[in-house]
Amino acid sequence: AQSVTQLDSQVPVFEEAPVELRCNYSSSVSVYLFWYVQYPNQGLQLLLKYLSGSTLVESINGFEAEFNKSQTSFHLRKPSVHISDTAEYFCAVSAPGNQFYFGTGTSLTVIP
Amino acid sequence: DTGVSQNPRHKITKRGQNVTFRCDPISEHNRLYWYRQTLGQGPEFLTYFQNEAQLEKSRLLSDRFSAERPKGSFSTLEIQRTEQGDSAMYLCASSVGGLANYGYTFGSGTRLTVV
Repeated sequence: AQSVTQLDSQVPVFEEAPVELRCNYSSSVSVYLFWYVQYPNQGLQLLLKYLSGSTLVESINGFEAEFNKSQTSFHLRKPSVHISDTAEYFCAVSAPGNQFYFGTGTSLTVIP
Repeated sequence: DTGVSQNPRHKITKRGQNVTFRCDPISEHNRLYWYRQTLGQGPEFLTYFQNEAQLEKSRLLSDRFSAERPKGSFSTLEIQRTEQGDSAMYLCASSVGGLANYGYTFGSGTRLTVV
């Protein structure tokens, strides 16, 4: 089975400052890794994913995440956050199967 | 329609009543998933369909929960004899084939409150 740990439940950060949201996973098999974002009263939206290849993956809105197999991590980073980045962020893992295992989420609050 | 649609958005029901939620996936997506999300937690997998076949249902929370996708298009999730502990957001997602290559597309969810 797989599991995901998001180490920070809440992360406040000032606008234009950098941010890192941490995610560690556990699995006995190779996995795929995802970050989803959930804005208030909305469904989850795929932010980025790692399937194979380059360990650094990027999203279109400036987020990036790096897959680190030795540390079993997939931390999400952004060099300069914006007010509109305020949301709940979920890390998820999937083995070659059909279900995701989600972390408990990190609430990112960007302070003006 | 370019997204996954869920109805109703909100449902308040009395304990012991039955409720049914509907999910309309993206039309070309053959896989449909149901998740439950409680406050402060990530989504928890319940069940999924490939076309009309329910391929995994062991994670449904109890025998009070059931799901159908009779024609391989929309799906319904029913909870019988609701309990206060059933209060949660119920999320539907759909995908084309194996999810890993595409990720899911989630709907906005149905928020259930059992009073």
